[in-house]
This record gives sequence, C-alpha cells and structure tokens, in this order.
Amino acid sequence: QMQLVQSGAEVKKPGASMKVSCKASGYTFTDYWIHWIRQAPGQGLEWMGWINPRSGGTNYAQKFQGRVTMTTDTSSSTAYMELSRLRSDDTAVYYCVRDPGNRWGFDPWGQGTLVTVSS
Amino acid sequence: QSVLTQPPSVSGAPGQRVTISCTGTSSNIGADSDVHWYQQLPGTVPKLLIYGNKNRPSGVPDRFSGSKSGTSGYLTITGLQAEDEADYYCQSFDNSLSGSYVFGTGTKVTVL
Repeated sequence: QMQLVQSGAEVKKPGASMKVSCKASGYTFTDYWIHWIRQAPGQGLEWMGWINPRSGGTNYAQKFQGRVTMTTDTSSSTAYMELSRLRSDDTAVYYCVRDPGNRWGFDPWGQGTLVTVSS
Repeated sequence: QSVLTQPPSVSGAPGQRVTISCTGTSSNIGADSDVHWYQQLPGTVPKLLIYGNKNRPSGVPDRFSGSKSGTSGYLTITGLQAEDEADYYCQSFDNSLSGSYVFGTGTKVTVL
C-alpha cells in the first residue's frame, strides 16, 4: 500500500539547520506532488510548501521563503525538506503528505518527525 | 497562518448530530476550491476524512458527511460515537497567496 516513511526525531540548536527525509513506496513517486506540513505542540496544521518530484518545481508558503528548501531524489523515491536559521518556534512535528490533486485531499501522511529547537 | 475559521470546540452526547463549520473567503472556498477534512485522534497522525467537499475515502464510516455552500464548508457527524472524540481540520486551496494551501484553525470534538 502507499506509504510515506520519515526520518527520526531531531534536536537542534537555534540558528542551525534541519533536514527531514520522506521515503515513498507503493506508488509512482514522480506522479504526485509532495507537500510539507508542520504542527507545533498543541497547535494546528500549517502548510509549508510543495514540490513536484517530476520537474523539481516548488512553491513555498510566504512565511518560509528564504529559509526552506524542498528537494527530491527520484532514484530512491525520497523527498527532503530543509529549514535553516532555526528558532525555538520552529519546534514542531513535520509531516510529508502525498497530493493526488486539488480535488482529492492529502493522503497518505508520513508518520511525522518531531524537531525540537532548544539551546 | 490559518485563513479558514472553525469553531474551537463542539460537543455532543453519544448518538447526537454535530456540525463543524469552516469559513473561508472568495479567494479560497468561495473561488470554487474544494474543501477537505482531516481527523486527528489524540496522539496520532491526521487522516483524510472527507475529500472534494463531500466524498468519503474507503473505510470512513458513513456517519461522517461533508457539504459546501458559498464560502463555507461543513462537516457533520450523525450518530456521534465515543471514538469520534478528536481534532478536525478543514483544508482548501487559496489563489490569493501565490497558490497556497490553507488549513482551518481546528475544532475539538468532545463526546459528553
């Protein structure tokens, strides 16, 4: 079945960078966009951006432009999200999701990666 | 930040019907963008509950239904059950923010 498996939890210092991976299986990786979404502790869901694995094209939420970079490795069906200049309020669970198209919603979701930013 | 507004909480007794609203604007839901709904049980990953305003993925009980009217979407749970206690989020596409995807503020459903 379709599955997205993310890398493990990380602890980072303020000012550092983080890079989360998301390995896809059970479908053709290049046929569907991958989005990244985050959820701070006790808070709601926040969309960060998408990447088209076939073309490498991206679209980032204004809030993260200049700090986020999304990439893919089609040879391993893996997507990556790198966030730089980390702050304490970047502490969150980061999810990758598959996008079957605007009319279909996000499905499936990765299991989430907790990134804690603390000095 | 969220641009879709949901009530922070709704509650109901087992068997009752509850409805969650998701209010957007003319640049998202009102611009004919579909509304999708996700259920997040405590401590778990969000799960797609309703897609394309009113469609249920395979395996989602038929007590969950969705609708859309104007600039708002709605999620209705008919015959509330204890296992429905969770956070619910709506989501849509917004054409005013360089083509951004937006989530609702989230609603906590409590089964009394």
